[in-house]
Amino acid sequence: ETGVTQTPRHLVMGMTNKKSLKCEQHLGHNAMYWYKQSAKKPLELMFVYNFKEQTENNSVPSRFSPECPNSSHLFLHLHTLQPEDSALYLCASSLGDRNSPLHFGNGTRLTVT
Amino acid sequence: AQSVTQLGSHVSVSEGALVLLRCNYSSSVPPYLFWYVQYPNQGLQLLLKYTTGATLVKGINGFEAEFKKSETSFHLTKPSAHMSDAAEYFCAVSGGSSNTGKLIFGQGTTLQVKP
Repeated sequence: ETGVTQTPRHLVMGMTNKKSLKCEQHLGHNAMYWYKQSAKKPLELMFVYNFKEQTENNSVPSRFSPECPNSSHLFLHLHTLQPEDSALYLCASSLGDRNSPLHFGNGTRLTVT
Repeated sequence: AQSVTQLGSHVSVSEGALVLLRCNYSSSVPPYLFWYVQYPNQGLQLLLKYTTGATLVKGINGFEAEFKKSETSFHLTKPSAHMSDAAEYFCAVSGGSSNTGKLIFGQGTTLQVKP
């Protein structure tokens, strides 16, 4: 079983749909992250959770709603998205301190039609 | 504020040739630096990291990087490229004095290895 698991791997949704992305980590980490990876752009940090508490929201539109019920699970709820939201959404986890690397899942490839 | 600049969005080398991927950083605190690799349809995998101590850091798959404070650089090298090294590479710096553990990434460099 991999350290960080993301489901689904691929998702196609219309602009009026509501869907959720799921992330689960089996590494005993305290911190979890959502990053957005778009073509020809650097990875953009979206949200950070530390011990289930949101510690950073990087000016993300409200159509993205994160949820962290415990230190092992992270969700990203999606509603009324725009075509420009199509991207690879990456979840990561870490011990939450500066010298600990992030461990990434394989991402969810989202296409908004 | 922390930032990372990777010079060259695409680098092409021949198999067996030296690989050099450039990374310069800006940091308001002593930097912790990382290199990641991303293969198609996968997430990012840690290659190596520098936190403190020895400035020459060895990683997986024969890669290494040297932290040079005077040049604010953390370039990634490999003496001899292999076809399997073709991927996208990201340099990252830890996010300042906050203790969230977040990383700030460069825009990435795509490495092409020619036979």
